[in-house]
Amino acid sequence: DQQVKQNSPSLSVQEGRISILNCDYTNSMFDYFLWYKKYPAEGPTFLISISSIKDKNEDGRFTVFLNKSAKHLSLHIVPSQPGDSAVYFCAASARSGGGADGLTFGKGTHLIIQP
Amino acid sequence: DAGITQSPRHKVTETGTPVTLRCHQTENHRYMYWYRQDPGHGLRLIHYSYGVKDTDKGEVSDGYSVSRSKTEDFLLTLESATSSQTSVYFCAISADKSGNTIYFGEGSWLTVV
Repeated sequence: DQQVKQNSPSLSVQEGRISILNCDYTNSMFDYFLWYKKYPAEGPTFLISISSIKDKNEDGRFTVFLNKSAKHLSLHIVPSQPGDSAVYFCAASARSGGGADGLTFGKGTHLIIQP
Repeated sequence: DAGITQSPRHKVTETGTPVTLRCHQTENHRYMYWYRQDPGHGLRLIHYSYGVKDTDKGEVSDGYSVSRSKTEDFLLTLESATSSQTSVYFCAISADKSGNTIYFGEGSWLTVV
């Protein structure tokens, strides 16, 4: 069973508009969430994160929102730029759980920014 | 960029042959991971290490073994490669046990024919 779900395999957005990528999780032990960005033929790179004690974290054009009651988080990119075209992975961890097995990832959403 | 080097970056091998992928880090991070990325599956954890000689299985460990004899090196071995192990393999490192934040290497493309 998938603990982190990204239900949209792809998303197409016009340049300059807002991109919203969604992620749902099922494990209530998760208390830290991250977004990674991946270009073809490169490794994933860390983008932004949020702790479960917050409901919003902002870094420039990127904002992550967390709704714990719904077990849902979203990544907003405003305004979208051509360089944002990439695969975005949602990831989660249980920091208080004591395990050393790192992050659980979703399947990814391929964001395509149209000119 | 995190100091992570994966080798080889690309390899084609035949079914049934052994293959070893190497991950080398210069960050002195305690935790190291091997993930594989496949279409429709995202990133799945194969094995991880929480110290020298300390390793454990991840979600998709069957057919893989690992070793960590030094802090900086984490080896992934396919004892007898199969076509289902054709994938992109990513090594990752982290300073803390919950994986916050994991840094990835550039990837190793493995094709088993």
